[in-house]
Amino acid sequence: AQTVTQSQPEMSVQEAETVTLSCTYDTSESNYYLFWYKQPPSRQMILVIRQEAYKQQNATENRFSVNFQKAAKSFSLKISDSQLGDTAMYFCAFRMTNSGYALNFGKGTSLLVTP
Amino acid sequence: KAGVTQTPRYLIKTRGQQVTLSCSPISGHRSVSWYQQTPGQGLQFLFEYFSETQRNKGNFPGRFSGRQFSNSRSEMNVSTLELGDSALYLCASSLESPRGGRETQYFGPGTRLLVL
Repeated sequence: AQTVTQSQPEMSVQEAETVTLSCTYDTSESNYYLFWYKQPPSRQMILVIRQEAYKQQNATENRFSVNFQKAAKSFSLKISDSQLGDTAMYFCAFRMTNSGYALNFGKGTSLLVTP
Repeated sequence: KAGVTQTPRYLIKTRGQQVTLSCSPISGHRSVSWYQQTPGQGLQFLFEYFSETQRNKGNFPGRFSGRQFSNSRSEMNVSTLELGDSALYLCASSLESPRGGRETQYFGPGTRLLVL
């Protein structure tokens, strides 16, 4: 079974600063997808960024980027120029490539952006 | 295009009762997944349906069941409710792909169930 570990239950960052959220995972598969989801207080789960394991290039979406280290099974999220609206729970998730859409989630990191 | 909708949004039940939650996916999406979110266990996968067939199932007791209709709408049912079933139940939908794939999952707002 695949497991996803987020070792930082809570983090805080000042507005405009950069913060990195950590995620490690365990799998014997070689092909898979990794995701970061954001869940603000409204509870609506929103996809932030995704990475396909076969791609060596790290994914980037505007202020959000990942550091994907396949050998180390590490998938960290960097948020640049943090904004107050980034305050949310962030979940790292894993999904295998050819067995449907079942996601394995980490426990989450609560990020607080302060003025 | 309308997003994933879930009804009802809030529900209060008592132990021993049963409950049915509904999920309407984004138009054209044929895969629907269900997740349970609790403070203690986090987000856990319940099951996934594709073209009216259960494709994947998580590690939940048989009291949890689901189905999918021909229009891709899905329902999940929990029988003999227990206090520990109190949770936010999230539904997610994806475009069709027989074996899964690159498509993104879109989540609904969730149904918050409280069992007293």
